[in-house]
Amino acid sequence: DIQMTQSPSSLSASVGDRVTITCRASQTISSYLNWYQQKAGKVPKVLIYAASSLQSGVPSRFSGSGSGTDFTLTISSLQPEDFATYYCQQSYSTPLTFGGGTKVEIK
Amino acid sequence: EVQLVESGGGLVQPGRSLRLSCAASGFTFDDYAMHWVRQTPGKGLEWVSGISWSSGSLAYADSVKGRFTISRDNAKNSLYLQMNSLRAEDTALYYCAKGFGLKPTDAFDIWGQGTMVTVSS
Repeated sequence: DIQMTQSPSSLSASVGDRVTITCRASQTISSYLNWYQQKAGKVPKVLIYAASSLQSGVPSRFSGSGSGTDFTLTISSLQPEDFATYYCQQSYSTPLTFGGGTKVEIK
Repeated sequence: EVQLVESGGGLVQPGRSLRLSCAASGFTFDDYAMHWVRQTPGKGLEWVSGISWSSGSLAYADSVKGRFTISRDNAKNSLYLQMNSLRAEDTALYYCAKGFGLKPTDAFDIWGQGTMVTVSS
């Protein structure tokens, strides 16, 4: 099975900050990497698919990059509504696997 | 409106069975793979199982293989998860999720609200 490791597990940031979250796969997954946002008590929402494609309706301050084993989600200017937990997920092969999550909190 | 509505969760004793259902609407159900994803309260996400558009390809997490069975009825726009030999560690909120494409290797673009399964004596 492919293991997905996210870092950091949590971070504190201020509105307007640039935030970067990293996800590493235990083996190469090409660009089969997706990012989700989950707010407290809400359903997960896909932000980025295929490593760098922005899902329709998602603000352009979110971007994804990487290929192979190392991937990054960047929020260019953190907004109040962005405080949430973010998960990466590989869709290269089954069993599909998620990272452990990164909780973005208000500083 | 694109919608997924899960049902069938509840409290069940260890070793017993439960069948979850997911009713889909607002999209062409048999054009997409479908999945079950679970989340333990306060914890992360775990993919449970996926099924291709035609039911020709099924996949399971190692933790449920041999105990859970995924199926779909395209005529009824419905997805199912038969859960047998339930364990305490299966306690979670179970989400139904729509895949981007036909195969069960994909991202999930639509999620239901989830149905809670509690396994306890």
